Amino acid sequence: EVQLVESGGDLVQPGGSLRLSCSVSGFTFTTYGMHWVRQAPGKGLEFVSAIRDDGSSTYYADSVKGRFTISRDNSKNTLSLQMSTLRPEDTAVYYCVRDRGGGTNSLDCWGQGTLVTVSS
Amino acid sequence: QSVLTQPPSVSAAPGQTVTISCSGSNSNIGKNYVSWYQQLPGTAPKLLIYENNKRPSGIPDRFSGSKSGTSATLGITGLQTGDEADYYCGTWDSSLGAGAFGGGTKLTVL
Repeated sequence: EVQLVESGGDLVQPGGSLRLSCSVSGFTFTTYGMHWVRQAPGKGLEFVSAIRDDGSSTYYADSVKGRFTISRDNSKNTLSLQMSTLRPEDTAVYYCVRDRGGGTNSLDCWGQGTLVTVSS
Repeated sequence: QSVLTQPPSVSAAPGQTVTISCSGSNSNIGKNYVSWYQQLPGTAPKLLIYENNKRPSGIPDRFSGSKSGTSATLGITGLQTGDEADYYCGTWDSSLGAGAFGGGTKLTVL
């Protein structure tokens, strides 16, 4: 069974930092690109970041570029998102998502999400 | 402001058919595959349609997708109360070098 389990969400002050992790199982992690997608309370889905299966390329939404860093450890089946200089508008549920592959950007497996709250 | 444009809401009676539109541009829908996602209240999104018109295993054929130019459409036939959810279209934007979603459409089954 495919599983993606996010962790690391927390309440953090504006300007602070946080690291999200996603532990995956049930599939060959090294052959899939991965994404982070977020959803602010009561709002729609927003692409945050993506990384290729081998980590060779990374992609970011303009809203997080320069503040967030996506990475993966293929030896530990783990995806990470390092977030810094956090703003109140970064408050959201963050989903770890598998890309079905083949350059289709079809997100076929989603974690349950982890809540990040940025507030003083 | 979402990159892709969807109607905020649609509604129809049980058993009826509904369509949800998704409008983009040459750099996103015009150049890349479109996916559709269903998000039931309080749950994570689920992939409904990928590569414009393909259904993952387990998705009933009541759900269909199509794409023409810079627009895509999700169709749902034989509406059920359990179909009440938020629906999102998604694709890649080659100019932005980033993923893109529509703002979401809330489906109400009256």
